Amino acid sequence: KQEVTQIPAALSVPEGENLVLNCSFTDSAIYNLQWFRQDPGKGLTSLLLIQSSQREQTSGRLNASLDKSSGRSTLYIAASQPGDSATYLCAVRSTQGGTSYGKLTFGQGTILTVHP
Amino acid sequence: GAGVSQSPSNKVTEKGKDVELRCDPISGHTALYWYRQSLGQGLEFLIYFQGNSAPDKSGLPSDRFSAERTGGSVSTLTIQRTQQEDSAVYLCASSLSGREVFGEKLFFGSGTQLSVL
Repeated sequence: KQEVTQIPAALSVPEGENLVLNCSFTDSAIYNLQWFRQDPGKGLTSLLLIQSSQREQTSGRLNASLDKSSGRSTLYIAASQPGDSATYLCAVRSTQGGTSYGKLTFGQGTILTVHP
Repeated sequence: GAGVSQSPSNKVTEKGKDVELRCDPISGHTALYWYRQSLGQGLEFLIYFQGNSAPDKSGLPSDRFSAERTGGSVSTLTIQRTQQEDSAVYLCASSLSGREVFGEKLFFGSGTQLSVL
């Protein structure tokens, strides 16, 4: 059974800092890994998706890396801003079962606070 | 539509009553997913639709939970005889095809906050 763990559970940093969020998963047989952002009372917004064959993806100040063999991913946020404050979730889509396309397994999330 | 729409945004019900939660996916998206987010818990997969059929309903927690999708579009999640442990945010998502070869992103709605008293 796939399990996803995110560290740290919460992080508070001053504006302008670069930071790293960590995600690990127990089963390396995955199709892809996706990072989401969730704001209070809102749904999830997809930030980056990394295919199992890829090593990293970049979007603006965000960079996500994937090391499938070791079951790890990191989300790097450069020059953090107060608007980055949110819960960040990683999710993996495992290859187990031919019909389990919909079954993303999520981590518990990292609550990020960027203070001015 | 422009995004995934869910209704109602909030639902308060009494224990033992039935509730229906609605999801309107992004127009043209054939894949639709229901997830549940409980306080202090991660997101929990419930069911996945490809068109109107549900090839994976393994996450439905009990036979009180059911879901259907009609016209390859709107989906309804029904919870019968609600219990307090059903209280959670129910999130719906859609994607273009649901097939791995495309490595596609899921787009989530804002969710329905269900409170069972």
